[in-house]
Amino acid sequence: GAGVSQTPSNKVTEKGKYVELRCDPISGHTALYWYRQSLGQGPEFLIYFQGTGAADDSGLPNDRFFAVRPEGSVSTLKIQRTERGDSAVYLCASSPRGGKNLHEQYFGPGTRLTVT
Amino acid sequence: AQSVAQPEDQVNVAEGNPLTVKCTYSVSGNPYLFWYVQYPNRGLQFLLKYITGDNLVKGSYGFEAEFNKSQTSFHLKKPSALVSDSALYFCAVRDMAPTGGFKTIFGAGTRLFVKA
Repeated sequence: GAGVSQTPSNKVTEKGKYVELRCDPISGHTALYWYRQSLGQGPEFLIYFQGTGAADDSGLPNDRFFAVRPEGSVSTLKIQRTERGDSAVYLCASSPRGGKNLHEQYFGPGTRLTVT
Repeated sequence: AQSVAQPEDQVNVAEGNPLTVKCTYSVSGNPYLFWYVQYPNRGLQFLLKYITGDNLVKGSYGFEAEFNKSQTSFHLKKPSALVSDSALYFCAVRDMAPTGGFKTIFGAGTRLFVKA
């Protein structure tokens, strides 16, 4: 079946602009995660959704970052007033609610964000 | 606060030799532990997990990992390395304590080179 998809694959924006990054999880997966990965680093947790609600947003670095998942499927990560330090690969992952694959995260290919 | 450490930036091994990629963790409660692999130009892929039960867990592509509670370690192993195992490996931990939230913490990664 289809895996996690993320759009766009690349996004170049100017400092101060607003961007939206989209994640389409695996069908039926109720859990959705957003991570940020800088060069040479592991993924850094941003936010976790269970269904429509953000169950843990403790990783969002500041109030310029916001994410939604209004219907419990597609999620959008929104970044306001972008800064050069926001440049990174933004990863989305989903996982099933139960079963033997519980807690296993399935990652999308990522969106490479470059802020100039 | 939970954390995970991968003490080696890089591991070099000859094809056919056993390999070990090290990981240690720190959590308040019981840990859920994971290994993920990232091949060049591909997304992160789940390899294996420890939730409870047997300390030795087996995963994809012949990999296994041993959970050692006293040493707070979860080293990844394979009895006989293949050139195709060359990739970036990430250890990850989720703290199952009530205060742990749903955050999954990833290590910085270890690059494995398998030489023919």
